[in-house]
Amino acid sequence: DIQMTQSPSTLSASVGDRVTITCRASQNVSHWLAWHQQKPGKVPKVLIYKASSLESGVPSRFSGSGSGTEFTLTISSLQPDDFATYYCQQYNSFRTFGQGTKVEVK
Amino acid sequence: EVQLVESGGGLIQPGGSLRLSCAASGFTVSYTYMSWVRQAPGKGLEWISLMYSAGNTYYADSVKGRFTISRDSSRNMIYLQMNSLRTEDTAIYYCVRESLDDVWSGYHYYYIHVWGKGTTVTVSS
Repeated sequence: DIQMTQSPSTLSASVGDRVTITCRASQNVSHWLAWHQQKPGKVPKVLIYKASSLESGVPSRFSGSGSGTEFTLTISSLQPDDFATYYCQQYNSFRTFGQGTKVEVK
Repeated sequence: EVQLVESGGGLIQPGGSLRLSCAASGFTVSYTYMSWVRQAPGKGLEWISLMYSAGNTYYADSVKGRFTISRDSSRNMIYLQMNSLRTEDTAIYYCVRESLDDVWSGYHYYYIHVWGKGTTVTVSS
């Protein structure tokens, strides 16, 4: 089974900061990777698929990169609405989520 | 508009069974991939089951042999039959629609695209 490991687990940041979250796969998943955002008490929603493709309606401050086993999600300028937990998820072989990265107010 | 509405959650004793339902609208469940994802209280997301449009089914090791995904094309519904429930199965269960990302070397790659609101299952004596 493919394991997904995110770092950091928690990230403290301020509005306007550039934020980067890393996701590592235990084996090659090519570019079959998505990022999901979940706010407290809410349903997750997909932000990015195929490692770098922005889902329709998602602000352009979100971007994804990487391939193989290492991926990043970047928020270019953190907004108040972006404080949430972010999950990477591979779909190369079945599906696996990372453990999540909580972006909190510094 | 694509919508997924889960139902069937509740309080169940360990060892019991429960069937979750997912009513889909705005698309046809048999034409795409559908998954179930769960989230234990205060924990992260865990994929547990997947059904291909062709009908193939797959499960996470944590539920293999106990849970069964199925669909009723005439009702446009997806189900999750959960048997031999354990306390660690306590979670919100989300029905998710997957959408085609790309076809690569003959394989179809689908990504988790639309989430239902979820239904809560509590396994406790």
